[in-house]
Amino acid sequence: DAKTTQPNSMESNEEEPVHLPCNHSTISGTDYIHWYRQLPSQGPEYVIHGLTSNVNNRMASLAIAEDRKSSTLILHRATLRDAAVYYCIIYNQGGKLIFGQGTELSVKP
Amino acid sequence: ETGVTQTPRHLVMGMTNKKSLKCEQHLGHNAMYWYKQSAKKPLELMFVYNFKEQTENNSVPSRFSPECPNSSHLFLHLHTLQPEDSALYLCASSQADRENYGYTFGSGTRLTVV
Repeated sequence: DAKTTQPNSMESNEEEPVHLPCNHSTISGTDYIHWYRQLPSQGPEYVIHGLTSNVNNRMASLAIAEDRKSSTLILHRATLRDAAVYYCIIYNQGGKLIFGQGTELSVKP
Repeated sequence: ETGVTQTPRHLVMGMTNKKSLKCEQHLGHNAMYWYKQSAKKPLELMFVYNFKEQTENNSVPSRFSPECPNSSHLFLHLHTLQPEDSALYLCASSQADRENYGYTFGSGTRLTVV
């Protein structure tokens, strides 16, 4: 499974956009990029995934670099409820969802 | 409610007890998973079931025994646990071999071994 690198922690102000980076330089052509988040005392929650093109959904946007070696999860307006650990995971057919340390996002009012 | 229900939410057990954790999903998924999350650590994948068959056991000690009677239910039987087994145990489900499909997690069982 391809390895990912994320910052340990990030801070944001409420109502401002947040860009959470992820490096995955060993990604292969058929690997999907998945993002999950885990709020305190809860199980992880699916956020978004993509293959090559940028993706948008009601929770977030995913920007994927042209060479696919990095991606950025974008929260357009952070709220206090977005404070969580965000995981970037490379997922391929036959693989399993393997979690790293993730990025702990704190949001200031 | 995520669609994956885990019971109980909290469990305290002695080292000589036997208990079971239950997970249930009615999302039509055909793969189910057990993860362990110790304090301040990433989730560790323990067991994988595809179409009710166990396809992965990540070197989990035999004091943890999974059971998958059908594609909607998954159990984790616990016996003679150690204090270091205290953790959040999470169940998840998905569509097997669909890399463009997400996992759905339950809220977990917080286990304390005394």
